[in-house]
Amino acid sequence: DTAVSQTPKYLVTQMGNDKSIKCEQNLGHDTMYWYKQDSKKFLKIMFSYNNKELIINETVPNRFSPKSPDKAHLNLHINSLELGDSAVYFCASSPSLQERGYNEQFFGPGTRLTVL
Amino acid sequence: GQNIDQPTEMTATEGAIVQINCTYQTSGFNGLFWYQQHAGEAPTFLSYNVLDGLEEKGRFSSFLSRSKGYSYLLLKELQMKDSASYLCAVKGSNYQLIWGAGTKLIIKP
Repeated sequence: DTAVSQTPKYLVTQMGNDKSIKCEQNLGHDTMYWYKQDSKKFLKIMFSYNNKELIINETVPNRFSPKSPDKAHLNLHINSLELGDSAVYFCASSPSLQERGYNEQFFGPGTRLTVL
Repeated sequence: GQNIDQPTEMTATEGAIVQINCTYQTSGFNGLFWYQQHAGEAPTFLSYNVLDGLEEKGRFSSFLSRSKGYSYLLLKELQMKDSASYLCAVKGSNYQLIWGAGTKLIIKP
């Protein structure tokens, strides 16, 4: 069984459109994340959700909004897409953000977003 | 500010040993992670260090010196499948992971 899954794997869309990316984890983890990896391969955290509450909200444009219907799902909605939004978006989960010790993050396969 | 530095690219020969360095400056320290990322795939966990010293796991070892803000990943008996990017990440004071840009490792026969 897939631990962290994302859909779609590829997303090609026009500038100005609104799109959503879905993420689900079946690991029973408390914390989920959204990352953006640009062409320079930097992984930048966008959001973290711990027990359905947003606990980290990096300085991303408010066109990006995370939505978590339950602990196992964290979806990413993007309004008014821009060319600069083209990147690979990774969902991840971990047992707990506040875990002091070993706290591995498990990543989904990624969604490659291309804005034309 | 917070900063993670790694070499952009390294080349090594199949069967050899390679050391990938990572230096960091972060507000707080709650552990350092190494992840492997093959092209077009998701990062996968390799190692975790929170105390000074060497952690060995098969062909891969990771070292940490907290006083120097320094870590390295050592890969032995290199195989072609080890060609990938290696990402260093530090868990800071708010437990958020701060990621380096990764080191692209190219293995030649």
